[in-house]
Amino acid sequence: DGGITQSPKYLFRKEGQNVTLSCEQNLNHDAMYWYRQDPGQGLRLIYYSQIVNDFQKGDIAEGYSVSREKKESFPLTVTSAQKNPTAFYLCASSSLGQAPYSPLHFGNGTRLTVT
Amino acid sequence: QKEVEQDPGPLSVPEGAIVSLNCTYSNSAFQYFMWYRQYSRKGPELLMYTYSSGNKEDGRFTAQVDKSSKYISLFIRDSQPSDSATYLCAMESGNTGKLIFGQGTTLQVKP
Repeated sequence: DGGITQSPKYLFRKEGQNVTLSCEQNLNHDAMYWYRQDPGQGLRLIYYSQIVNDFQKGDIAEGYSVSREKKESFPLTVTSAQKNPTAFYLCASSSLGQAPYSPLHFGNGTRLTVT
Repeated sequence: QKEVEQDPGPLSVPEGAIVSLNCTYSNSAFQYFMWYRQYSRKGPELLMYTYSSGNKEDGRFTAQVDKSSKYISLFIRDSQPSDSATYLCAMESGNTGKLIFGQGTTLQVKP
């Protein structure tokens, strides 16, 4: 089955610790994205990558970092500099720029709780 | 003012009802309009997408875009309890993947 796998499903960390969320896709998509979802605020873009070894900041990149060493993988690190890290994190991918339009496909998310 | 506005609900309807979900937006450059369904503790699942104005139908679901009014709608006919979920509208100006989402509307269909 082709899809996007996020792990773990639930993650608990102490304040001040960095934590890395995993995202793997086997859809052969070029582009990958990280969104954050908070109650009542919809989804907000953290980082995105259109090609291996390249990525761009989204609307709320402060306190986060990413890498894109392989086409299939786009891990997100939530650093201790992120002031309010508790949220539901969603990874997505798309075959960007290919006609017809390629909507985003999402994984099932990682719920991060920082105390 | 947010770029995309969506009434968060919750919206409660009896089984079999016609459901209307709506979003308004302010950016006239938006060209691609999407509806996602999200069950609790799951990722959003794409229902439909529309390019520019017009209607699109897929089974019990119909998406409408009115660019002149900056208004999009999703209609669900013969609603089922399994339709109970949060519905998110999303849009973008080009094929970039950088979507702008509404807050989501929570729908409950009662048997």
